[in-house]
Amino acid sequence: IAGITQAPTSQILAAGRRMTLRCTQDMRHNAMYWYRQDLGLGLRLIHYSNTAGTTGKGEVPDGYSVSRANTDDFPLTLASAVPSQTSVYFCASSDRMREGRNEQFFGPGTRLTVL
Amino acid sequence: DQQVKQNSPSLSVQEGRISILNCDYTNSMFDYFLWYKKYPAEGPTFLISISSIKDKNEDGRFTVFLNKSAKHLSLHIVPSQPGDSAVYFCAAVSGGGADGLTFGKGTHLIIQP
Repeated sequence: IAGITQAPTSQILAAGRRMTLRCTQDMRHNAMYWYRQDLGLGLRLIHYSNTAGTTGKGEVPDGYSVSRANTDDFPLTLASAVPSQTSVYFCASSDRMREGRNEQFFGPGTRLTVL
Repeated sequence: DQQVKQNSPSLSVQEGRISILNCDYTNSMFDYFLWYKKYPAEGPTFLISISSIKDKNEDGRFTVFLNKSAKHLSLHIVPSQPGDSAVYFCAAVSGGGADGLTFGKGTHLIIQP
């Protein structure tokens, strides 16, 4: 069981370029999330999707967009990268249909550097 | 304003002793709390959780205590082992978590041999 996979593992990107971070889960979870982790700030929610076809904004959505065409995939796109988007990005999923359980399962992360 | 606070950036504990990690929250709508453990270059992994209707949850060496009146929770690890050295994140959610988890900044636990 792979769980959640993310690609690429790391990327150096020139400012102004477009970039899509990929996330795939094989657990058939209905909800998926994108977080960024910055030193001293913990993890902050960028966007989420409670089910295929729906998305929502988190705490820090500006400069990012997402789509959820199917259950398994939840790509995160930076339309025009800026240096402040240098961070480690984590994708997560959860089974929100399971009563009383709120655990999210995380992927291994993508380390993005914008120069 | 930070809704979940972990005020100790780091904590050093001797192997075999008890590790106590603390977390405070400000949002009274939070009804479920989780602890995650994170090693370098890996994603966070779920450790233990507690619902707001309970005041204690235990799983092996890990126990989480919740004091709702003080808006405070703590994670106890006993006995502490070298493999417990990691960053621990406290997280909270309200209303089933439709809009994700709110995380604290983390505490780096170092277990000394």
